[in-house]
Amino acid sequence: EVQLVESGGGLVQPGRSLRLSCAASGFTFDDYAMHWVRQAPGKGLEWVSGISWNSGSIGYADSVKGRFTISRDNAKNSLYLQMNSLRAEDTALYYCAKVGISGWIDYWGQGTLVTVSS
Amino acid sequence: EIVLTQSPATLSLSPGERATLSCRASQSVSSYLAWYQQKPGQAPRLLIYDASNRATAIPARFSGSGSGTDFTLTISSLEPEDFAVYYCQQRSNWPHTFGQGTKLEIK
Repeated sequence: EVQLVESGGGLVQPGRSLRLSCAASGFTFDDYAMHWVRQAPGKGLEWVSGISWNSGSIGYADSVKGRFTISRDNAKNSLYLQMNSLRAEDTALYYCAKVGISGWIDYWGQGTLVTVSS
Repeated sequence: EIVLTQSPATLSLSPGERATLSCRASQSVSSYLAWYQQKPGQAPRLLIYDASNRATAIPARFSGSGSGTDFTLTISSLEPEDFAVYYCQQRSNWPHTFGQGTKLEIK
């Protein structure tokens, strides 16, 4: 059974940093691309970042480019999101998501909540 | 960045009716478009990928069509469990943007 468990969320002040982690199990992690998607309270989905199986291809939303860094450790079956210079508008539930053989997200974690507030 | 615009924002229909949801891209995404369903308190679920392919275990009442910039998700006969928010997403280019969503509500 595919499991994606996010951690690292919490309350942080504007301008500070936070690192999210996603522990993956139930599939061969280094075979698949992984993404982060966020959802502000009561709002729609926003794609944040994606990384290919070997970290050779990485993309970011314009809203986070230059502030967020995605990475993965295939030996640890883990995905990360380093978030710097956090802003109030980064407040959201952050989902870790697995990309399937179709090329689309086929599994999602339950999310970790990030709240940016003074 | 490719912008996806979904319409309508809200669609009010009754069970048994046909639902037609639209997604328009600001530039061609070829067939690199998917549809997701999200219910309150749940993560999204993939319904349709590559514009017209049903994902695993998705009922046949869900269908997708389109290519280039104009796409449609059709639900042929609404079941009570279909009332939810629907999002389109493109993966033609980074960033893999989502549309703003269409809320399908019971009339």
